[in-house]
Amino acid sequence: NAGVTQTPKFQVLKTGQSMTLQCAQDMNHNSMYWYRQDPGMGLRLIYYSASEGTTDKGEVPNGYNVSRLNKREFSLRLESAAPSQTSVYFCASSEAGVRTYEQYFGPGTRLTVT
Amino acid sequence: AQSVAQPEDQVNVAEGNPLTVKCTYSVSGNPYLFWYVQYPNRGLQFLLKYITGDNLVKGSYGFEAEFNKSQTSFHLKKPSALVSDSALYFCAVRPFSGNTPLVFGKGTRLSVIA
Repeated sequence: NAGVTQTPKFQVLKTGQSMTLQCAQDMNHNSMYWYRQDPGMGLRLIYYSASEGTTDKGEVPNGYNVSRLNKREFSLRLESAAPSQTSVYFCASSEAGVRTYEQYFGPGTRLTVT
Repeated sequence: AQSVAQPEDQVNVAEGNPLTVKCTYSVSGNPYLFWYVQYPNRGLQFLLKYITGDNLVKGSYGFEAEFNKSQTSFHLKKPSALVSDSALYFCAVRPFSGNTPLVFGKGTRLSVIA
């Protein structure tokens, strides 16, 4: 039981390049999330998916797109990377709806945009 | 809108002494409250949660937290700190009603000095 896995662990992009961050969970959770973590800012929600087939914007969605590929997988895409997107990205999942249960986090992807 | 404040960026405590990491929240209605810990270069790990019932909640690694509705606080405590407790701690909240993900505070870095 791997929990929440994320690939890649590290990535360096040039401004304007695109990439997709992958996330998968094996806990049969309905809800999945993408956060970014910046020093002094805590964790800020980018997008979330309450259930398979639905996605919603979070606090900082600009410059990102998401796909809930199936119940296990939730990907985050940067179409045209900018230096302001340099951050550590965390995927998380939780049971049932988004309301009640604690979220389980992946190990993170450290992204640098030059 | 819900929010969480962690008023201290850094808390220093001597090994063996009690520790407190402070958290106050703002949410419409009754809250669900959570504490997470993040060790260097790792994802967030769930420590404990308050849903309802007893105001004193016990969690992993000897940590506990006290829910105080009148002061809208949920401070994290441990009777005797260990060097291995040194990490970044996040408080998070979601409303009892509604369908929104966790909102996190900015984090408090705990340093336990031998």
